[in-house]
Amino acid sequence: QKEVEQDPGPLSVPEGAIVSLNCTYSNSAFQYFMWYRQYSRKGPELLMYTYSSGNKEDGRFTAQVDKSSKYISLFIRDSQPSDSATYLCAMSSILTGGGNKLTFGTGTQLKVEL
Amino acid sequence: GAVVSQHPSRVICKSGTSVKIECRSLDFQATTMFWYRQFPKQSLMLMATSNEGSKATYEQGVEKDKFLINHASLTLSTLTVTSAHPEDSSFYICSSLTSGDARETQYFGPGTRLLVL
Repeated sequence: QKEVEQDPGPLSVPEGAIVSLNCTYSNSAFQYFMWYRQYSRKGPELLMYTYSSGNKEDGRFTAQVDKSSKYISLFIRDSQPSDSATYLCAMSSILTGGGNKLTFGTGTQLKVEL
Repeated sequence: GAVVSQHPSRVICKSGTSVKIECRSLDFQATTMFWYRQFPKQSLMLMATSNEGSKATYEQGVEKDKFLINHASLTLSTLTVTSAHPEDSSFYICSSLTSGDARETQYFGPGTRLLVL
C-alpha cells in the first residue's frame, strides 16, 4: 500500500463546475498538507498549505484536512479552462533537524472543458 | 511565492556523457534543496536532499556516484548525471526549502527535461 493514494484521473468537468480532488494517506504522523498544481512540462506550483486538521480557503480554492479519516480534499469553485493541470497532494511529518521530506500522491489530471 | 530557477530547461545528450543541471534560489537563501525525478504520468520521487556546505543525503536506491550533488552556496545546487544512459531520461526537478512565516515550504523549479540518446 502506498503511503499516499490519489486517483490519477483524468477528471473532466465543464467550465464553472465545482471540482473535488482527494487524497488518502496511511501515515498518521503527517502533520503538514499541501496541494500543488503542475502544468504539463512545468514544475509544481504551491497552491494551498494546511497544518493539521481543518479548512483553509484562498479565492476559488478550499483545502480540507480530516486527520481522523486520513483524508484531504481540494475544492475548486467556478472552474476555468486555465485550471486544467495535474494536481498533486503532498504531505510531511515533523522531522527533527528540519528539512521536511514531502511524500507526494501520483497527481490527478484535471480537464476543464468549455 | 518564492522563485526557483533551473538551467537548462531541456537537454539532449549522448549515452556515456555527463550532464550538469543547476538549481538557483533567486529571492531567498536556501540551506536545503531537494532533487526529484518524475517519469511520465508518475509522481515526484525524491532523489536526494542537498544541504549547503555538507554532503547530500541520498534516498534508497539512488546511486550517489552517478548523481553528483553540490550545494556550494545558499542559492545554488547542482546535479550532475554522470555517464548518462537512456534509462536516465526523465524530468528532473529541484526545490528549495524556505522557513518563512513559521512554516517550512518547498518551492519548485520549472524542471529540466533530460533525454539521453
